[in-house]
Amino acid sequence: GAGVSQSPSNKVTEKGKDVELRCDPISGHTALYWYRQSLGQGLEFLIYFQGNSAPDKSGLPSDRFSAERTGGSVSTLTIQRTQQEDSAVYLCASSQRRKDTQYFGPGTRLTVL
Amino acid sequence: DQQVKQNSPSLSVQEGRISILNCDYTNSMFDYFLWYKKYPAEGPTFLISISSIKDKNEDGRFTVFLNKSAKHLSLHIVPSQPGDSAVYFCAARPGGSGSYQLTFGKGTKLSVIP
Repeated sequence: GAGVSQSPSNKVTEKGKDVELRCDPISGHTALYWYRQSLGQGLEFLIYFQGNSAPDKSGLPSDRFSAERTGGSVSTLTIQRTQQEDSAVYLCASSQRRKDTQYFGPGTRLTVL
Repeated sequence: DQQVKQNSPSLSVQEGRISILNCDYTNSMFDYFLWYKKYPAEGPTFLISISSIKDKNEDGRFTVFLNKSAKHLSLHIVPSQPGDSAVYFCAARPGGSGSYQLTFGKGTKLSVIP
């Protein structure tokens, strides 16, 4: 398919463990975004990548969160020493250019026990 | 502090009638507004948008109205269909060169009753 894909779809982990979430954007899209949606909340911006520019990390909630985007395509969001409050659905989106419509993946549901 | 508010967590409408979903915002720097639709276990899907230079945008059964003075927008779905049952998110972004961040409301769950 040509849409944004994310893996895994579900992840259950124990408190204190590290997790990696993957996003494959739509081919040719230069902008990539990570959001998270906690229970009963709207989507919360985490980080933004645009081409080869330095990412905008202003939405990352703590230094336990990091993300990288290799080769301007696939992105990985890493959460170190997970906490129960990290439990949420993590959504990735991509757009052709910075201000274009964002297309979302199905998300990864993270549960920290 | 919520900058985008959807005060109705849920809405039920009879099939064939009009659905009206409301959204209020507080940040006067917002100049572009979007509605996304989300089915369970799927990511949000872009539905319709409106720029602050307009007060109405229409796409088939979906119309978005913007009242800048009231900082209010609404999504009208006419006629409503059972397949419209989903969570609808209102989102906004500011103008300017750095304006890519979307701020989302908490969503309104629409149920269209056959």
